[in-house]
Amino acid sequence: GDSVTQMEGPVTLSEEAFLTINCTYTATGYPSLFWYVQYPGEGLQLLLKATKADDKGSNKGFEATYRKETTSFHLEKGSVQVSDSAVYFCALRVGAAGNKLTFGGGTRVLVKP
Amino acid sequence: NAGVTQTPKFQVLKTGQSMTLQCAQDMNHEYMSWYRQDPGMGLRLIHYSVGAGITDQGEVPNGYNVSRSTTEDFPLRLLSAAPSQTSVYFCASSYLGQGAHYGYTFGSGTRLTVV
Repeated sequence: GDSVTQMEGPVTLSEEAFLTINCTYTATGYPSLFWYVQYPGEGLQLLLKATKADDKGSNKGFEATYRKETTSFHLEKGSVQVSDSAVYFCALRVGAAGNKLTFGGGTRVLVKP
Repeated sequence: NAGVTQTPKFQVLKTGQSMTLQCAQDMNHEYMSWYRQDPGMGLRLIHYSVGAGITDQGEVPNGYNVSRSTTEDFPLRLLSAAPSQTSVYFCASSYLGQGAHYGYTFGSGTRLTVV
């Protein structure tokens, strides 16, 4: 079946540090890939996505590149802010089997001033 | 721009009680789903629907029922609440066109405690 594996947290960083969250996947078909962010007390929000190999998704200074050869979709940001403290979820969706979105376990990021 | 609306935001139930979590979306999305979020376990799919009159089970369906009589609404029913159902519940919706290209729009969640 489909699965997503992402690094466990928490990840603690200082403001302006570089952030990387690793995400790898296995899929039964050709997936689209997503990163979601969940701020404290809120629901999940779509951060960025990529729908085919070598696509780069970007938003709010975050980037992730769809790497089919390594089945990865790592999230990066060059200079984090305190407001980036949140839980980040990597996810995939295959256009079959009910179109379900499969999530990784989430990575909590804490940015300290 | 309502998006996905979940009610209530918080609920405390006694063991054995039943209740319905409401979910409504105004984006004409064909696909709707319910997830539960538990510490250290990410999001787990409970039930989903690809259109009015069509529902199917997800990963953890036991103890929950759903129905989809309209495109807009997708209520989740707890038949006889148990402490193991203490969780945060999220409703999400999406278009089905273009297959996997769409992400989900999430509601703000319902925090349920069963005592």
